Amino acid sequence: AQSVTQPDARVTVSEGASLQLRCKYSYSGTPYLFWYVQYPRQGLQLLLKYYSGDPVVQGVNGFEAEFIKSNSSFHLRKASVHWSDSAVYFCAVSAGANTGKLTFGHGTILRVHP
Amino acid sequence: EAGVTQSPRYAVLQEGQAVSFWCDPISGHDTLYWYQQPRDQGPQLLVYFRDEAVIDNSQLPSDRFSAVRPKGTNSTLKIQSAKQGDTATYLCASSWDRSNERLFFGHGTKLSVL
Repeated sequence: AQSVTQPDARVTVSEGASLQLRCKYSYSGTPYLFWYVQYPRQGLQLLLKYYSGDPVVQGVNGFEAEFIKSNSSFHLRKASVHWSDSAVYFCAVSAGANTGKLTFGHGTILRVHP
Repeated sequence: EAGVTQSPRYAVLQEGQAVSFWCDPISGHDTLYWYQQPRDQGPQLLVYFRDEAVIDNSQLPSDRFSAVRPKGTNSTLKIQSAKQGDTATYLCASSWDRSNERLFFGHGTKLSVL
């Protein structure tokens, strides 16, 4: 069985600062990794995904994440945050291809001070 | 393109009452998922369908929960006799790509069981 840990329940940063949201996963096979975002009063939206290849993946709105197999991590980063990035961010892992069976972390609430 | 539509947006019940949630996926999406998201947690998969067939319902509490997708389009999730522990947001998601590409989520139905 797979699992995801997001150790930071809440993160607060100032607009323009850099950001890292942490994610660690547990899965014995090849992981398929995702970051989803939930903006206020909206449904979950995919930010980025990693299947294979380049361990640094680019997503929407300037977000990127790096897969580090040796550390079982898939941290999300952004060089300069905007107040509109305030949302809840979920890291998720899937057991493999051809399935949407995602296991999500508990989420990190990001608050960006304008 | 219309997104995933769910109704109702909110439901408040007494323990023992029944409730149904309805989901209209994005047109053409063959795979439909129901997730349960307790407060301050990530979504947890309950059941998913490919067309009208149940692919995995191993996490669905079968004694009180049921889900159908009779024509491979819309879906209904029903709780027969609600418990306080069922209090959560129920999310519907759909996808068309069998390579686990991307899930599109609805806004969810927020259920409170008193």
